[in-house]
Amino acid sequence: GEDVEQSLFLSVREGDSSVINCTYTDSSSTYLYWYKQEPGAGLQLLTYIFSNMDMKQDQRLTVLLNKKDKHLSLRIADTQTGDSAIYFCAEKTDGQNFVFGPGTRLSVLP
Amino acid sequence: DVKVTQSSRYLVKRTGEKVFLECVQDMDHENMFWYRQDPGLGLRLIYFSYDVKMKEKGDIPEGYSVSREKKERFSLILESASTNQTSMYLCASSLWQGGGGYTFGSGTRLTVV
Repeated sequence: GEDVEQSLFLSVREGDSSVINCTYTDSSSTYLYWYKQEPGAGLQLLTYIFSNMDMKQDQRLTVLLNKKDKHLSLRIADTQTGDSAIYFCAEKTDGQNFVFGPGTRLSVLP
Repeated sequence: DVKVTQSSRYLVKRTGEKVFLECVQDMDHENMFWYRQDPGLGLRLIYFSYDVKMKEKGDIPEGYSVSREKKERFSLILESASTNQTSMYLCASSLWQGGGGYTFGSGTRLTVV
């Protein structure tokens, strides 16, 4: 079945780059997403990439997609304390539902 | 600004009560979803709907029901609340076509005592 995996925790120092990784199993994924969840809040869509793209950049965010390896990553440049949150990877396949990863808790140390 | 609005941020209910969680979206989205989020378990899909009066079970529908009488409103019902339904409940909506993703509400933290 469909499965999305992420490491659960990541710590970086303020000003460094963060790289959050995600692997998925469904090769029919059409879109892949990164969501951010701050404490006590819902999920906020950060960015998404269509499956025929390799890379997408949006200000400090860079998404890389390796479709052959079914690997998605989110790079946050110049990480700030406000970036501390849980980051969810999600895929949309042929249906309307999304499959979410377990989330990576990013801690930014001063 | 487009929104998914959940009626309550925090709720405390007693075991056995009937609980209604309301979700309204103003984006004319066809699809609406209810998830619960628990530490260590991620997001789990309870029910979803692709159209008015349509509903489909997700991964964990037991103990829940839903209602979608209007396109903009999707209600989650706990027929008889139990302590194991204490959780964060997230509503989301999306368009049928395209890759725009889900738009989530702010969540309702439900505590059943």
